[in-house]
Amino acid sequence: DAKTTQPPSMDCAEGRAANLPCNHSTISGNEYVYWYRQIHSQGPQYIIHGLKNNETNEMASLIITEDRKSSTLILPHATLRDTAVYYCIVTESGAGSYQLTFGKGTKLSVIP
Amino acid sequence: DAGVTQSPTHLIKTRGQQVTLRCSPKSGHDTVSWYQQALGQGPQFIFQYYEEEERQRGNFPDRFSGHQFPNYSSELNVNALLLGDSALYLCASSLRGGEAFFGQGTRLTVV
Repeated sequence: DAKTTQPPSMDCAEGRAANLPCNHSTISGNEYVYWYRQIHSQGPQYIIHGLKNNETNEMASLIITEDRKSSTLILPHATLRDTAVYYCIVTESGAGSYQLTFGKGTKLSVIP
Repeated sequence: DAGVTQSPTHLIKTRGQQVTLRCSPKSGHDTVSWYQQALGQGPQFIFQYYEEEERQRGNFPDRFSGHQFPNYSSELNVNALLLGDSALYLCASSLRGGEAFFGQGTRLTVV
């Protein structure tokens, strides 16, 4: 079973920041938080990951709470192309070496 | 640089038949994982191959088997197809310890 809890759906106005929450209260000390997204009928796309520090890349920012029990993925300026299902996944370091346990994710709809 | 490529993109099989799906990993990647995604669900892990051996396996029956070749490409075989095997099959590749990159998937329909 997935170790994360996400809202099933969210809406965001185009051009505004999209903040997607994730709860992972049972996360272990050696487990990372990974975010992937899946645009309709395509394979999941890696977005970002982190252990305990906040992370930022060209796609998004990841904010992890100090107790590591929850996190927020931030898309700073959402566009229509960001409409997708977003998956928050907790896994041991090096997600490529361990199975990824996907939940149902959050369906983000960016509205014009 | 080509990413993860899967073939075929779509296929239709009859119940009871066997099917083979193929995956070429991203250049430089040595680990291949397979996932099954039913409609409306998140991907479910089937198994992972590294150094031509199955390293991890999810909760799938023995009808699901795989292989990894010396060039790191991989095949997923499913025997005695059931209607419930209809799904999107995803291949993900990685360099051991790194992030997983997914292909576009093979849409299998069993009739």
